[in-house]
Amino acid sequence: EAQVTQNPRYLITVTGKKLTVTCSQNMNHEYMSWYRQDPGLGLRQIYYSMNVEVTDKGDVPEGYKVSRKEKRNFPLILESPSPNQTSLYFCASSPRASFNNEQFFGPGTRLTVL
Amino acid sequence: SQKIEQNSEALNIQEGKTATLTCNYTNYSPAYLQWYRQDPGRGPVFLLLIRENEKEKRKERLKVTFDTTLKQSLFHITASQPADSATYLCALDNFGNEKLTFGTGTRLTIIP
Repeated sequence: EAQVTQNPRYLITVTGKKLTVTCSQNMNHEYMSWYRQDPGLGLRQIYYSMNVEVTDKGDVPEGYKVSRKEKRNFPLILESPSPNQTSLYFCASSPRASFNNEQFFGPGTRLTVL
Repeated sequence: SQKIEQNSEALNIQEGKTATLTCNYTNYSPAYLQWYRQDPGRGPVFLLLIRENEKEKRKERLKVTFDTTLKQSLFHITASQPADSATYLCALDNFGNEKLTFGTGTRLTIIP
């Protein structure tokens, strides 16, 4: 089944404890991205990747890191999480650039930082 | 500043009627506009994409229009059903760049 998977689905952590949210797609897509969704603010892009080893900042990159060593994986790293990073996170992929292609979203990761 | 505005946060429509959702944008020049559906606690699901040179696109009970002069897209669901209840998001690019920016969404409820 073609899909985007994220792990974990739920995570409660404490301020400053490094964490990684994994994202994997099995559709051989070139483009992957991370979004966060907050009430009243909608979906905001954190980082995106046009292909392996090519990443770029989205609208809200502060406090996050990403890497794209393999085509299928695009992990999101929070080196020192803070409470303002409590949010619902979505990974997405598309065949090529997102603007003219359907984006496939993962199921989401609900992160709480205490 | 750039803005994407979707009409009222919540919209209630009687079953069987046509639901019309709006997406207005300011200071964008999109080459494409997309609509997604999102159910509570789940990721958005792609519905339709329309190009700037297309006036209208249809898919089953869904219809999207795109007016670059008015800087507006309308999303219609005809013969609405309770199963259509969800949040609907519009998303657009700017000058064909790689980023897709989303509106905050409209929560649609179809009342039986």
